[in-house]
Amino acid sequence: NAGVTQTPKFQVLKTGQSMTLQCAQDMNHNSMYWYRQDPGMGLRLIYYSASEGTTDKGEVPNGYNVSRLNKREFSLRLESAAPSQTSVYFCASRWTGSPSNEKLFFGSGTQLSVL
Amino acid sequence: SQQGEEDPQALSIQEGENATMNCSYKTSINNLQWYRQNSGRGLVHLILIRSNEREKHSGRLRVTLDTSKKSSSLLITASRAADTASYFCATVPSGSARQLTFGSGTQLTVLP
Repeated sequence: NAGVTQTPKFQVLKTGQSMTLQCAQDMNHNSMYWYRQDPGMGLRLIYYSASEGTTDKGEVPNGYNVSRLNKREFSLRLESAAPSQTSVYFCASRWTGSPSNEKLFFGSGTQLSVL
Repeated sequence: SQQGEEDPQALSIQEGENATMNCSYKTSINNLQWYRQNSGRGLVHLILIRSNEREKHSGRLRVTLDTSKKSSSLLITASRAADTASYFCATVPSGSARQLTFGSGTQLTVLP
């Protein structure tokens, strides 16, 4: 049982380049999330998908796009990378069918540097 | 903006001592959760406490919630070197949005 798998683990981009971060979960969760983590800032929500076929903006969506490809996969795309997008990116998922079980499961993160 | 703020930002204790971390938040919540993050890893869920609960235990963890003060505390008893990590509180607001909002975390160092 792999849980939440993110690729790649590390990436260096030049300003203006594009890339897609991949995320897949094998827990049959309906909701998936993308967060970024910056030093001293905690985690900030970029985009989320409450269920297959839906996506919504979080707190910091500018410069990003997402695709919920199917129930398992949720990708994050940077169309034109900027140095301000240097961060650690985490994908997470959870089952929201029961209010008593709302915990998130996280991937191991992608460390992205934009030069 | 951050919904939850942890205090202190950093905490260093000796193995065997208790560690207490605090979290304050701004709006009414459905539940509050605590997560641990080891260096270079993703976050791991520790415990969830609902807005109608005041205290919850899980192993060496004790969480309290005071909704009137909009605050929570996480107590780790008899700490171990392996407890060294960052600890984050996350809140789920009341209402339909129900997305978790994280605080900035407490870095706990347990010295052997």
